[in-house]
Amino acid sequence: KAGVTQTPRYLIKTRGQQVTLSCSPISGHRSVSWYQQTPGQGLQFLFEYFSETQRNKGNFPGRFSGRQFSNSRSEMNVSTLELGDSALYLCASAAVVGQGLEQYFGPGTRLTVT
Amino acid sequence: AQSVTQLDSHVSVSEGTPVLLRCNYSSSYSPSLFWYVQHPNKGLQLLLKYTSAATLVKGINGFEAEFKKSETSFHLTKPSAHMSDAAEYFCVVSVSGGGADGLTFGKGTHLIIQP
Repeated sequence: KAGVTQTPRYLIKTRGQQVTLSCSPISGHRSVSWYQQTPGQGLQFLFEYFSETQRNKGNFPGRFSGRQFSNSRSEMNVSTLELGDSALYLCASAAVVGQGLEQYFGPGTRLTVT
Repeated sequence: AQSVTQLDSHVSVSEGTPVLLRCNYSSSYSPSLFWYVQHPNKGLQLLLKYTSAATLVKGINGFEAEFKKSETSFHLTKPSAHMSDAAEYFCVVSVSGGGADGLTFGKGTHLIIQP
């Protein structure tokens, strides 16, 4: 099975612009979640989608939004970019394994805001 | 509330010697615990997980971890380090069976392998 794929892998944007990141989960996985990874804050949960519905949301401002399509692919959008949004954005899809869930991560999109 | 503390930000070992990466957790409920590895410019890969079955958990690439409730620890070990083990390692605690919203990540331990 192909793993989680994320596009693009690298992005450079200017403050005030908006950006859209894409994630394709492992085939058959219906849950997709997004994380922000920075050297200072580490890995932080952004939100989770399941069957096109946002199921959970982390503590991020409304500038961060997402959606999921009927084929389980997900997009994350960040509007009015700030310098502090520079980070590695990771997407993960989940599968039930044994008694719980396992998250399978993609390689990430490296966003640089200048 | 739950939290996880990785006791060392950097660990350096020589190739062929044992590896010990330390992790302590705090949780109000019976947790699930995970170790993930992240190589440069790659996503996180699951090494192993504990979900209330055997306390000694074996993972991929020769890694294992032991769940010690009395010490609230979940240290990661490997008998003999290989150059390819150089990476960032994350200890993760979950009280939602591994659901995305319930994952709390440690700050990471950077493992350096000396030739």
